[in-house]
Amino acid sequence: GAGVSQSPSNKVTEKGKDVELRCDPISGHTALYWYRQSLGQGLEFLIYFQGNSAPDKSGLPSDRFSAERTGGSVSTLTIQRTQQEDSAVYLCASSLRARETQYFGPGTRLLVL
Amino acid sequence: DAKTTQPTSMDCAEGRAANLPCNHSTISGNEYVYWYRQIHSQGPQYIIHGLKNNETNEMASLIITEDRKSSTLILPHATLRDSAVYYCIVRSNAGNMLTFGGGTRLMVKP
Repeated sequence: GAGVSQSPSNKVTEKGKDVELRCDPISGHTALYWYRQSLGQGLEFLIYFQGNSAPDKSGLPSDRFSAERTGGSVSTLTIQRTQQEDSAVYLCASSLRARETQYFGPGTRLLVL
Repeated sequence: DAKTTQPTSMDCAEGRAANLPCNHSTISGNEYVYWYRQIHSQGPQYIIHGLKNNETNEMASLIITEDRKSSTLILPHATLRDSAVYYCIVRSNAGNMLTFGGGTRLMVKP
């Protein structure tokens, strides 16, 4: 079946602009995760959604970052007033239920000039 | 989550078995061993996971020692497309996120 999809695949923006990144999880998956991976670095957890529970935002690096998940499916990660250090690959993953195997999307490569 | 230790890099001849080791000596009873791989800048691909017993699927086999302090991922017949960074992750049932370490860069050579 279809895997996790993310859009756009690449995004180039200017410093100070806002960006929105989209994630479509695997159909029926109740848990959704956002990570980011800076060049040559490991994955850094950002935020986790599970069903209708309050999201775990403990990994968000600043208040410029926010995410929402509408209707328990699609999620949008928003970065306001982008900075050059926000340049990274943003990865989304979903799992059928909490704490089960996570399946990753292809990522969005963000470049802030 | 328990910390894992993996070799930085390994080479393997095409067609041979690739055996990727992982040490997780501080693993506790409710923690699973997961393996993912990442090719270039693509999203991590799930390979296999296990708790105590050895596991096998269409991609690989996972051998976990009896004391659970180490494990080995086996790709039975490595191909050039298996060249990637392989991550061994130990995750408890209480955790929401995966913690990726440095992984092992596997180079499959013709």
